[in-house]
Amino acid sequence: EVQLVESGGGLVKPGGSLRLSCAASGFTFSSYSMNWVRQAPGKGLEWVSSISSSGKYIYYGDSVKGRFTISRDNAKNSVFLQMNSLRAEDTAVYYCTRDLGRDISCYDYWGLGTLVTVSS
Amino acid sequence: EIVMTQSPATLSVSPGERATLSCRASQSVSSDLAWYQQKPGQAPRLLIYGASTRATGIPARFSGSASGTEFTLTISSLQSEDFAVYYCLQYDNWPRTFGQGTKVEIK
Repeated sequence: EVQLVESGGGLVKPGGSLRLSCAASGFTFSSYSMNWVRQAPGKGLEWVSSISSSGKYIYYGDSVKGRFTISRDNAKNSVFLQMNSLRAEDTAVYYCTRDLGRDISCYDYWGLGTLVTVSS
Repeated sequence: EIVMTQSPATLSVSPGERATLSCRASQSVSSDLAWYQQKPGQAPRLLIYGASTRATGIPARFSGSASGTEFTLTISSLQSEDFAVYYCLQYDNWPRTFGQGTKVEIK
């Protein structure tokens, strides 16, 4: 059974940092691109970042570019999101997602999410 | 950035009726369009990908279609568990972009 379990969320002050982790199981992690998608309270879904299966290709949304860094450890079946210079507008539930397939980069599995709250 | 526009924002439907949701892309996304269902407090669930292919385990009452940059999700006969928010996602170009969502509520 595919499982994605996020951790690392919490309350942080503006300008602070957090590192989110996503532990994957139930599939060959190193074969799949992985992503982070967020959802502000009461709002819609926003794609944040993606990383290819090898980690060679990385993409960011404009709202987080230069502040967030995605990475992965295929030996530990994990993907990470380092978030620096956090702003109030980064407050959201952050979901870890898996690409459906090699050439189908929509998201078939989602974690339960981890809440990040940026507030003084 | 490709803008995905969903309509209507809210759709009021009686159980057993048909629901038709729309998603328009600001430019071509080929068939790289997915639909998601999200219920309160839950993660989104993939319904449709490739504009018209049902994901694993999705009931046949859910169908997707496309005409150019206009995409449609049809729920043929709404069940109680189908009342939720639905999002479209284009995965043809970077950045990936979602529509703003359509809430399907009980009439």
